[in-house]
Amino acid sequence: LAKTTQPISMDSYEGQEVNITCSHNNIATNDYITWYQQFPSQGPRFIIQGYKTKVTNEVASLFIPADRKSSTLSLPRVSLSDTAVYYCLVAMDSNYQLIWGAGTKLIIKP
Amino acid sequence: EADIYQTPRYLVIGTGKKITLECSQTMGHDKMYWYQQDPGMELHLIHYSYGVNSTEKGDLSSESTVSRIRTEHFPLTLESARPSHTSQYLCASSELGTTVDNSPLHFGNGTRLTVT
Repeated sequence: LAKTTQPISMDSYEGQEVNITCSHNNIATNDYITWYQQFPSQGPRFIIQGYKTKVTNEVASLFIPADRKSSTLSLPRVSLSDTAVYYCLVAMDSNYQLIWGAGTKLIIKP
Repeated sequence: EADIYQTPRYLVIGTGKKITLECSQTMGHDKMYWYQQDPGMELHLIHYSYGVNSTEKGDLSSESTVSRIRTEHFPLTLESARPSHTSQYLCASSELGTTVDNSPLHFGNGTRLTVT
């Protein structure tokens, strides 16, 4: 049974780099990994998506090791406004299911 | 910025009432979804659709129905609201990819439902 696991909560300080790891042991060859950010009273918002190795955009990086059993969202130089819940999502190619993690509540302190 | 709209934003209703939560998107996306989420918690899939006249049940669908008569519109109906339905309901859409479902989901800002 496919499952994604991520830490319940993390905290850090402004200006630091934050790494949030998601475990997805049963990921299959063609499954994609996507990360979303959610603020209170809003819907989740797409951050970054990857399939293997490393992907970088203007807000984050996503690192996926060769075995693809985990992925790490990296937020460089966080600010207070990065305080949010971050969700890992695996899109399964075999049955088009979307497997959501339970979310990581990230708190950034001044 | 949102191209997917949910109404109402907040709803307080009594037990036993029938309610319909509205969701519309202007992006021409084929796939649409309804999720139930308690604040800061997991998302639970209620229903989804691959396009017009297509509806599928998710993990948490037994007490609600959906319809997809037009591409842009995907309303969710609770026939008889109960206090256990108190939650946030999120609608999302995505493009219909040719292979794996790797098209990012676009979410609305949700409807916060309270059943008294």
